Amino acid sequence: KNEVEQSPQNLTAQEGEFITINCSYSVGISALHWLQQHPGGGIVSLFMLSSGKKKHGRLIATINIQEKHSSLHITASHPRDSAVYICAVKGSNYQLIWGAGTKLIIKP
Amino acid sequence: EAGVTQFPSHSVIEKGQTVTLRCDPISGHDNLYWYRRVMGKEIKFLLHFVKESKQDESGMPNNRFLAERTGGTYSTLKVQPAELEDSGVYFCASSPRRGNSGNTIYFGEGSWLTVV
Repeated sequence: KNEVEQSPQNLTAQEGEFITINCSYSVGISALHWLQQHPGGGIVSLFMLSSGKKKHGRLIATINIQEKHSSLHITASHPRDSAVYICAVKGSNYQLIWGAGTKLIIKP
Repeated sequence: EAGVTQFPSHSVIEKGQTVTLRCDPISGHDNLYWYRRVMGKEIKFLLHFVKESKQDESGMPNNRFLAERTGGTYSTLKVQPAELEDSGVYFCASSPRRGNSGNTIYFGEGSWLTVV
């Protein structure tokens, strides 16, 4: 079993839908990252969380440390949100442990 | 401020050849990380520099891989000799300083390596 599990692996939705991507982890962490990888391959950091909730535009990320679970939400989804969304956790040794990613496709 | 830059962005080499990937972190960042994603698998940690010192190289797959960070500035990752299974995307990342778990990590665009 991977230390970081994401679900779903693939998600296709219609423009405007509310999107939720989940991340569960089994190790102790100092921070959790949500990252976005565009088709060209570059990685963009969306959020870094150690507790609670963060919001940036249409993106919301939450984390429950006790349950070792985080969610990334996209409101009013748009085709340009299509990308791979990756959850990565940082342990005490500064390594990032990566989830497999969720491939999101938003259809117009 | 320039972000993390990687060179080359794409490279195609023959099996047995040598390739050197370069990463320029954000100026002043002590921490530098190398990661890679090989086909169909998750991104995996390779190693972590703090300034010029290798803090953790537990992810380096074998002795065909050599990473250096002379002077604590840019880093190079050399693969010699390259094998087919080395094909993938090699990401570099940097963060400001050690001891602050709240640091954001900044990623480069990746170097796409294809070994044929």
